[in-house]
Amino acid sequence: DQQVKQNSPSLSVQEGRISILNCDYTNSMFDYFLWYKKYPAEGPTFLISISSIKDKNEDGRFTVFLNKSAKHLSLHIVPSQPGDSAVYFCAASALNQFYFGTGTSLTVIP
Amino acid sequence: KAGVTQTPRYLIKTRGQQVTLSCSPISGHRSVSWYQQTPGQGLQFLFEYFSETQRNKGNFPGRFSGRQFSNSRSEMNVSTLELGDSALYLCASSLDRPGNYGYTFGSGTRLTVV
Repeated sequence: DQQVKQNSPSLSVQEGRISILNCDYTNSMFDYFLWYKKYPAEGPTFLISISSIKDKNEDGRFTVFLNKSAKHLSLHIVPSQPGDSAVYFCAASALNQFYFGTGTSLTVIP
Repeated sequence: KAGVTQTPRYLIKTRGQQVTLSCSPISGHRSVSWYQQTPGQGLQFLFEYFSETQRNKGNFPGRFSGRQFSNSRSEMNVSTLELGDSALYLCASSLDRPGNYGYTFGSGTRLTVV
């Protein structure tokens, strides 16, 4: 039972353009949503999060949007850089247990 | 400060054997969680330990077990290994409840079962 879904396994974007990564969830009890970035041979690293009481959180080039009515989360990266090429996981927490999506592999083309 | 350390980085085991993986959390972190990552399945939650007690558990069979020591270091054990247990096992630590800052992950242990 996948409560957090990332339906796009991969995404390619030109350097300097916007990258939009999407995530859908089913559990309305989730209270925090997070994005992690993972390079090969490394563990995931925390990128940005948003509380369920907000609809937007911004940190530099990264913005996360939350649409609770649609149960949809997105991560915008502007402008995209080659160093952003990695696998991105969205995660949601309820009762302090985290549920992760299957990941989207982002490739930023120079 | 040192990050989350997992040992060993790579393991090859035979079906039916058992294996123990180790995780040392960031100093001061008392919560340690374990995840299994396989292609197409994302990160699947195994269990979480806090102050030597299992606080949360995912939907894995009893062959998967863990423990936490008084210094917050944690071990995960898998008995009677199956081919499907081949995966990257990730350990993550946090001060207490991960909240909106999530975890800090280790680099993982890559287990291959042959």
